[in-house]
Amino acid sequence: DTGVSQDPRHKITKRGQNVTFRCDPISEHNRLYWYRQTLGQGPEFLTYFQNEAQLEKSRLLSDRFSAERPKGSFSTLEIQRTEQGDSAMYLCASRDRPDYGYTFGSGTRLTVV
Amino acid sequence: AQSVTQLGSHVSVSEGALVLLRCNYSSSVPPYLFWYVQYPNQGLQLLLKYTSAATLVKGINGFEAEFKKSETSFHLTKPSAHMSDAAEYFCAVSESTGGFKTIFGAGTRLFVKA
Repeated sequence: DTGVSQDPRHKITKRGQNVTFRCDPISEHNRLYWYRQTLGQGPEFLTYFQNEAQLEKSRLLSDRFSAERPKGSFSTLEIQRTEQGDSAMYLCASRDRPDYGYTFGSGTRLTVV
Repeated sequence: AQSVTQLGSHVSVSEGALVLLRCNYSSSVPPYLFWYVQYPNQGLQLLLKYTSAATLVKGINGFEAEFKKSETSFHLTKPSAHMSDAAEYFCAVSESTGGFKTIFGAGTRLFVKA
């Protein structure tokens, strides 16, 4: 297993367009997390899946954001009607136990112009 | 609800000097505590973790951290800084019950001078 993969690495989109990001976690990990990181800040929690169930969503996650993990394997994060404030690095992480640290992907950098 | 405060957004040390990065946490239940490192243009990597075993935990690259419940602190130290330690360091806390999401501090950028 080569770790957590995220695709694409970079995305430039025009304001108002929809974007979708994909995360492939480590295959044995049943817990998957999405975070957002802006320059000079720590990662902010967005949402969490255990297997295919979305168990927690941050208040940061407006109704323009939706995430899925349909078969308990890969996950997608969609942002509808993007705004310039959505520009950030979107990070995916996975782990198989809550007392283990995360394995992070390299992230998807979104730029909304 | 849990939270993390990292004291000092930037820390500068000379090569060979002691590294001390400060972290205080808040948690309503016994916490799990972590330090992560982010090198320029790279993803976050786990340095070390505390999960209620030994209060002094050792991590990679010579770093260690001590859990002090009375002070709600989890400071990161390294006896002798190396140029390759220059990076952003994040302290993080998870609650040991419930949703288990991890909350991160704002980060401390470590500069190492030759």
